[in-house]
Amino acid sequence: SQQGEEDPQALSIQEGENATMNCSYKTSINNLQWYRQNSGRGLVHLILIRSNEREKHSGRLRVTLDTSKKSSSLLITASRAADTASYFCATDDRQTGANNLFFGTGTRLTVIP
Amino acid sequence: NAGVTQTPKFQVLKTGQSMTLQCAQDMNHNSMYWYRQDPGMGLRLIYYSASEGTTDKGEVPNGYNVSRLNKREFSLRLESAAPSQTSVYFCASSEAKGRNQPQHFGDGTRLSIL
Repeated sequence: SQQGEEDPQALSIQEGENATMNCSYKTSINNLQWYRQNSGRGLVHLILIRSNEREKHSGRLRVTLDTSKKSSSLLITASRAADTASYFCATDDRQTGANNLFFGTGTRLTVIP
Repeated sequence: NAGVTQTPKFQVLKTGQSMTLQCAQDMNHNSMYWYRQDPGMGLRLIYYSASEGTTDKGEVPNGYNVSRLNKREFSLRLESAAPSQTSVYFCASSEAKGRNQPQHFGDGTRLSIL
């Protein structure tokens, strides 16, 4: 079964606006990762946040993690048309110990020029 | 810098046919993975190889076999293809040191089973 669930399933915004997508997961984790997938391509790693971190920034990306609520959010500021893609959160399972990730169903972001 | 290379990019099979999906990485990664991506289901792990010489089942291994040929190559075999195996298949790799390193993905193989 999948570990993460993203919300919303789809999001459409104007260029320059901010985009926020959320992820909820089920079990204890070591860290949470966000990936982007352009249409017809493989996933690209964006950012990793560890379970003892609450917020992390990378360029226009801001990720938060609330382990008490088992949730994370990805904020893309000043969006661009090139940000149009699907975004996935992925978590490990602290109990299994292997480097396996469980992916959510993704949020499809459309940025309108 | 090629990263993770998957072949073929597209394939159509008839039910019952067999085929091997190839994957190679040039990043000297120890761990490699095979996923399938279906609409509305996200990515699901089929098999993984934590290091050369080892393979383990993931979430959905039935109907598949894998071979870790060497450190660079990890293949996925469908012995008798079924329509339920119509999907997009992704190979990924990662460093083995530490827990949960980022995974690097190929661009996928789009497989249709008629």
